[in-house]
Amino acid sequence: SAVISQKPSRDICQRGTSLTIQCQVDSQVTMMFWYRQQPGQSLTLIATANQGSEATYESGFVIDKFPISRPNLTFSTLTVSNMSPEDSSIYLCSALPGHLAKNIQYFGAGTRLSVL
Amino acid sequence: AQRVTQPEKLLSVFKGAPVELKCNYSYSGSPELFWYVQYSRQRLQLLLRHISRESIKGFTADLNKGETSFHLKKPFAQEEDSAMYYCALSALRAGGTSYGKLTFGQGTILTVHP
Repeated sequence: SAVISQKPSRDICQRGTSLTIQCQVDSQVTMMFWYRQQPGQSLTLIATANQGSEATYESGFVIDKFPISRPNLTFSTLTVSNMSPEDSSIYLCSALPGHLAKNIQYFGAGTRLSVL
Repeated sequence: AQRVTQPEKLLSVFKGAPVELKCNYSYSGSPELFWYVQYSRQRLQLLLRHISRESIKGFTADLNKGETSFHLKKPFAQEEDSAMYYCALSALRAGGTSYGKLTFGQGTILTVHP
């Protein structure tokens, strides 16, 4: 298993500013992901955070808006850039430890972002 | 592309009644299906996965490839089962390993009344 610490747990931000969310895993993991959950909606994958290389973004998400870093096998950050009220969501980090055949993802508690 | 559909946004039952949360999926390749649960004030956690064929907290789910369904069932619901339930799909490579990322359904809020 993996224990994921995500911070901040919540924030209120002004439009036009940026927020960086941190995700720390208590052990080395194979893959890390970032999801968004808009109000009343399901979880949508933003990107796969690749260790030592650029993240792989899903359709509709771009690096300029959601830059992601993953400097090692236990840590990743997601930045929400130039925020607008439409970015108000819960952002979740997840980790997939071990071999991909053991395909179980563990989730952080989420960051609740409100943009004014 | 893959898609997961949970047709019921809300489901209410009484304690001791059977409960079934529906999940249908579309994917042209081989999928792995999961049920994740989020209890009040807790983080999202895995409930069960089709490959394990386990019963967790009395819940079972069978993958029906013909009907492309993965419904979650429990014969006797308990109040502590009240939570948000998400069905999710992960695409599998030809060798059986996963691409890792999950596609989630819209979620079903289950409320079990005393």
